[in-house]
Amino acid sequence: AQSVAQPEDQVNVAEGNPLTVKCTYSVSGNPYLFWYVQYPNRGLQFLLKYITGDNLVKGSYGFEAEFNKSQTSFHLKKPSALVSDSALYFCAVRLPLSGTYKYIFGTGTRLKVLA
Amino acid sequence: GAGVSQSPSNKVTEKGKDVELRCDPISGHTALYWYRQRLGQGLEFLIYFQGNSAPDKSGLPSDRFSAERTGESVSTLTIQRTQQEDSAVYLCASSELTGGGPGNTFGSGTRLTVV
Repeated sequence: AQSVAQPEDQVNVAEGNPLTVKCTYSVSGNPYLFWYVQYPNRGLQFLLKYITGDNLVKGSYGFEAEFNKSQTSFHLKKPSALVSDSALYFCAVRLPLSGTYKYIFGTGTRLKVLA
Repeated sequence: GAGVSQSPSNKVTEKGKDVELRCDPISGHTALYWYRQRLGQGLEFLIYFQGNSAPDKSGLPSDRFSAERTGESVSTLTIQRTQQEDSAVYLCASSELTGGGPGNTFGSGTRLTVV
């Protein structure tokens, strides 16, 4: 079955330290990959995406993600975490099947940045 | 419109009543999605509309749930004979059918509480 896994329910990191939020996928073909963020009491917002090309993609708020085809991973990273980055992060894939634009979301990882 | 609009933003209903939730997608977005997010949980796919194709209903949890979409515009999600376990935030998203753009653009959701 096609799936997206976010193995960590919660990630804690000290402010100023680098952060990584993990995502792996199990999808045949070449999917489009996305990260979304959900701040408290706010809607889901797009952070970044990978479609093709450079494996390192840069997005909003200083976040970046690295596509690793051999490991089927798309981990979200930021060199220096801010307290304001504390939120719920979702990884998603858009299935590569022709004619469909269905998305599969991971279960989410809660990031807590400690001052 | 400028974004995905959902109404109502909050709905409290008695167990056993029917509810109807509305989503106005971004103009020109061919694909429309409904997701459910229970408190503190991830996104649960419910249903997906793409143009005039038959909708993908594979995520609907029971036959009490149904959704319709008029052409490429408004969609309504109907829950019949609501149960307490239906309490959640129901999120609508729309998407262009291209590789560009932010993938799903989400509305702010409808918070449904069944008492």
